[in-house]
Amino acid sequence: GQQVMQIPQYQHVQEGEDFTTYCNSSTTLSNIQWYKQRPGGHPVFLIQLVKSGEVKKQKRLTFQFGEAKKNSSLHITATQTTDVGTYFCAARGSNYKLTFGKGTLLTVNP
Amino acid sequence: KAGVTQTPRYLIKTRGQQVTLSCSPISGHRSVSWYQQTPGQGLQFLFEYFSETQRNKGNFPGRFSGRQFSNSRSEMNVSTLELGDSALYLCASSRAEGSNEQYFGPGTRLTVT
Repeated sequence: GQQVMQIPQYQHVQEGEDFTTYCNSSTTLSNIQWYKQRPGGHPVFLIQLVKSGEVKKQKRLTFQFGEAKKNSSLHITATQTTDVGTYFCAARGSNYKLTFGKGTLLTVNP
Repeated sequence: KAGVTQTPRYLIKTRGQQVTLSCSPISGHRSVSWYQQTPGQGLQFLFEYFSETQRNKGNFPGRFSGRQFSNSRSEMNVSTLELGDSALYLCASSRAEGSNEQYFGPGTRLTVT
């Protein structure tokens, strides 16, 4: 079945530093989604990317979809303590099942 | 608009027992999906329901089953519980079948002893 590999598994940063998490697939994706889960919380939908090379911004968050539609990234500029949580990418494969990456746990030192 | 609700929030069961978890989607949402979340395996897809029909199923044994009612509310059942079934079970709703914008509930934390 389809797999989306996400790296790194963990990332610890000082407040104000930037953060990036990457999602890679061996197959071409029709689209990709990003979710955030705060500690003790549930996943919250952030965004969906559909077009090759697409770049979308939400305040300090920048989402990119690769030209080949096999990879994606989420970049946070100048992290804040409110950014703490696990960031997941998700993609729906040809079997129509929504597959989530293992996530990147971001911790921020104030 | 009220979010996705799940009941119960916490549950402790013994091996061999069965459990039923409930999910009420956001009003107007007709699709409900279930996921199992564990530290080791992450978020794993269980099943997806739309219009009372199971549209897709993950790679879980037959002990895991579910259903959806005419009001879009959904239940999942796990029979003959095993220790490895201890997990956070998350329900997510979306407007349409196959929608990738899913709204998750707070989850049911199941502990099997």
